[in-house]
Amino acid sequence: DVKVTQSSRYLVKRTGEKVFLECVQDMDHENMFWYRQDPGLGLRLIYFSYDVKMKEKGDIPEGYSVSREKKERFSLILESASTNQTSMYLCASSLRTGKQYFGPGTRLTVL
Amino acid sequence: DQQVKQNSPSLSVQEGRISILNCDYTNSMFDYFLWYKKYPAEGPTFLISISSIKDKNEDGRFTVFLNKSAKHLSLHIVPSQPGDSAVYFCAASGSGGSNYKLTFGKGTLLTVNP
Repeated sequence: DVKVTQSSRYLVKRTGEKVFLECVQDMDHENMFWYRQDPGLGLRLIYFSYDVKMKEKGDIPEGYSVSREKKERFSLILESASTNQTSMYLCASSLRTGKQYFGPGTRLTVL
Repeated sequence: DQQVKQNSPSLSVQEGRISILNCDYTNSMFDYFLWYKKYPAEGPTFLISISSIKDKNEDGRFTVFLNKSAKHLSLHIVPSQPGDSAVYFCAASGSGGSNYKLTFGKGTLLTVNP
């Protein structure tokens, strides 16, 4: 069965902290994605990676960076968390094209 | 510029009736379309998809219709059940270099009343 896991379901951080969100997939997928979901805005792509050590900016990369050192793991980094980064963060993975499989999400609150 | 639009933020239907969720797109390069369902505090789960070479795809109670000339697709749920209450996202991908990327609509909250 397909599995995408995220390191935390709920996270509370303070403004200015460095935040790491981890995502692991066990399907040997080439592609991995980070989205954020906000009410009324849908799913917005932050960054994606199509291979180890490769990354591309999505639609809203400002304030974020990513790391993909191993095929199964894709990390999202908030260098200095701000309150406007309070959101639901969703990781996904896929084969070369098409259907993406999502993790359960991390609800991040920045105080 | 919103390339995938779900113009109805919410929809309410009675149990047993048909639910019809709509989605419009503007990018002619899109050739694969998906619907995802999302419950609160969970990740989206894949529901059904359709390729641009087809105009209909069925899976149990779920049918997706694609009208390429109108750049419109719809998801039909028959009969609707209370457990179908969730946010539904339409997504699209296209040919070309970034064809593994999905562009999502903003979602439609479906409420099925018992």
